Amino acid sequence: GDSVTQMEGPVTLSEEAFLTINCTYTATGYPSLFWYVQYPGEGLQLLLKATKADDKGSNKGFEATYRKETTSFHLEKGSVQVSDSAVYFCALRLNSGGYQKVTFGTGTKLQVIP
Amino acid sequence: EAQVTQNPRYLITVTGKKLTVTCSQNMNHEYMSWYRQDPGLGLRQIYYSMNVEVTDKGDVPEGYKVSRKEKRNFPLILESPSPNQTSLYFCASSSGHRNQPQHFGDGTRLSIL
Repeated sequence: GDSVTQMEGPVTLSEEAFLTINCTYTATGYPSLFWYVQYPGEGLQLLLKATKADDKGSNKGFEATYRKETTSFHLEKGSVQVSDSAVYFCALRLNSGGYQKVTFGTGTKLQVIP
Repeated sequence: EAQVTQNPRYLITVTGKKLTVTCSQNMNHEYMSWYRQDPGLGLRQIYYSMNVEVTDKGDVPEGYKVSRKEKRNFPLILESPSPNQTSLYFCASSSGHRNQPQHFGDGTRLSIL
């Protein structure tokens, strides 16, 4: 079946450090890929997305590139801030045989310290 | 304002007492879905609906029921709740295209004693 694997957290970084959160996937078809962010006590909200190979999604200084050859969608940010502290989820969405399931990774908690 | 509304936000109940968590969206979305979030397991899809009267199982449907009689509403029903259904539940909606992101409600924290 389809699956998403994220690096385990928590990840603790100092402010202005470089961030990478790894995400790899397996899928029976050609998925769209998403990163969502969850702040404490809130629901998930879209951070960025990419819908085909080599697409780069970007938002709020975060970037991720859809790499079909390595089945990866790693999240990066050049300089994190305390306000980026949250849980980050990688997800895929796929049409297959008339159904459309969404699969999430387990989430990676990021803590940024001043 | 575009939103997904879940109720209740918090519920403590006892084993075997039927409960319903409501979900409503005001964006005319075709696709709606329920997830549960558990530590170390991320979000797991319970049920989803592609449109009115069209529902299908996700990865963890056991012990849950859903219905989609109207486009805007997608209630989650626990006919006989058990302690292993204690979790944080999220409803989400989106258009039916795979390229579109989902919009999430604020979550419902269920505790079943």
